[in-house]
Amino acid sequence: VQLVESGGGLVQPGKSLKLSCSASGFTFSSYGMHWIRQAPGKGLDWVAYISSSSGTVYADAVKGRFTISRDNAKNTLYLQLNSLKSEDTAIYYCARKGRGYYFDYWGQGVMVTVSS
Amino acid sequence: DIQMTQSPASLSASLGETVTIECRASEDIYSNLAWYQQKPGNSPQLLIYDANSLADGVPSRFSGSGSGTQYSLKINSLQSEDVASYFCQQYNNYWTFGGGTKLELK
Repeated sequence: VQLVESGGGLVQPGKSLKLSCSASGFTFSSYGMHWIRQAPGKGLDWVAYISSSSGTVYADAVKGRFTISRDNAKNTLYLQLNSLKSEDTAIYYCARKGRGYYFDYWGQGVMVTVSS
Repeated sequence: DIQMTQSPASLSASLGETVTIECRASEDIYSNLAWYQQKPGNSPQLLIYDANSLADGVPSRFSGSGSGTQYSLKINSLQSEDVASYFCQQYNNYWTFGGGTKLELK
């Protein structure tokens, strides 16, 4: 199992960014997937979940601003980040849903910095 | 929202020592609890799921226990490679993490 995030960078407040997570080593279409973030030196915060059938759930802090999606043909998970705020600055990880609702594999993470 | 309170926030222990980290949920989470290890500069890795089940490839010196609102992670015979931060996580109602425990060598 390998998960590789990309698309991070420095962005101004109020702007948008789209993160990608390329998956390999498993049947991507059969698994739910998550995004989790970690502000510098801080703990972990769950961001969003998409089921294998593309049902979605969001944390209150990002609801209405972020959109999780997937392209099973490309084995890729996405996170569209809109109306970014300084408090969205974090490392963003994608992770696979395990047999239960825990996260069994994580990517290496991608940094998003929101600053003017 | 379910709140997860983890203690201690930091811990210093000697090689070979047994270490215990506690996690308390704000309501019953029915053993829907996982523990993750995050080494410096790396992403988290699953250690324990369903409160007491060892993830694949995790050394047997790690163990989890608990029920209801109280859970713990025990590391027997501490090794140098166990220096890391540890996070508990509930998945009974959405997903929330404890604040983390930073484990260092004494």
